[in-house]
Amino acid sequence: EAQVTQNPRYLITVTGKKLTVTCSQNMNHEYMSWYRQDPGLGLRQIYYSMNVEVTDKGDVPEGYKVSRKEKRNFPLILESPSPNQTSLYFCASSHMTSEGETQYFGPGTRLLVL
Amino acid sequence: GESVGLHLPTLSVQEGDNSIINCAYSNSASDYFIWYKQESGKGPQFIIDIRSNMDKRQGQRVTVLLNKTVKHLSLQIAATQPGDSAVYFCAENSWNAGNMLTFGGGTRLMVKP
Repeated sequence: EAQVTQNPRYLITVTGKKLTVTCSQNMNHEYMSWYRQDPGLGLRQIYYSMNVEVTDKGDVPEGYKVSRKEKRNFPLILESPSPNQTSLYFCASSHMTSEGETQYFGPGTRLLVL
Repeated sequence: GESVGLHLPTLSVQEGDNSIINCAYSNSASDYFIWYKQESGKGPQFIIDIRSNMDKRQGQRVTVLLNKTVKHLSLQIAATQPGDSAVYFCAENSWNAGNMLTFGGGTRLMVKP
């Protein structure tokens, strides 16, 4: 089954404690991205990656890091989480064709930073 | 499930009626638009897309209309069903912005039985 998986699905942590949210896709997609979703603000892109070893900042990259060492994985790293990073996070992957692009989203990771 | 947002505009329709969800965009360079459906506790799910060289595209029970003059996008759902209850997001992409999608704030559709 084609899918995007994220782990963990729920996480409670404290300010300053480094954490990583993993994202994996099994569709051999080149493009992957991370979004955060907040009430009243919709989905905002944090980082994206066009391919292995190619990453770039989205709208709200501050406080986040990513890496793309393999095509299937795109982890999101919070080196020193802060309460304003409490949010719902989605990973997505997509593949461009002549018909367009369809992004597949993961199930989401709800993060609470105390 | 989790509520997506506390301040979402809400559209309430009777089961069987048609629904129209609207979206305004601001970037005149946007050339690709997508509608997503997000059910409670789940990630956004692709519904339908449209390129800027089109003004209408139809899918199964859904139609997207694009008016580039006024930068307006709409999603029409025919014969709305309880399973259509969700939050709907439009997203826009312009190739001069790389591959970055910009999402609208979302509209909550509630279907009354």
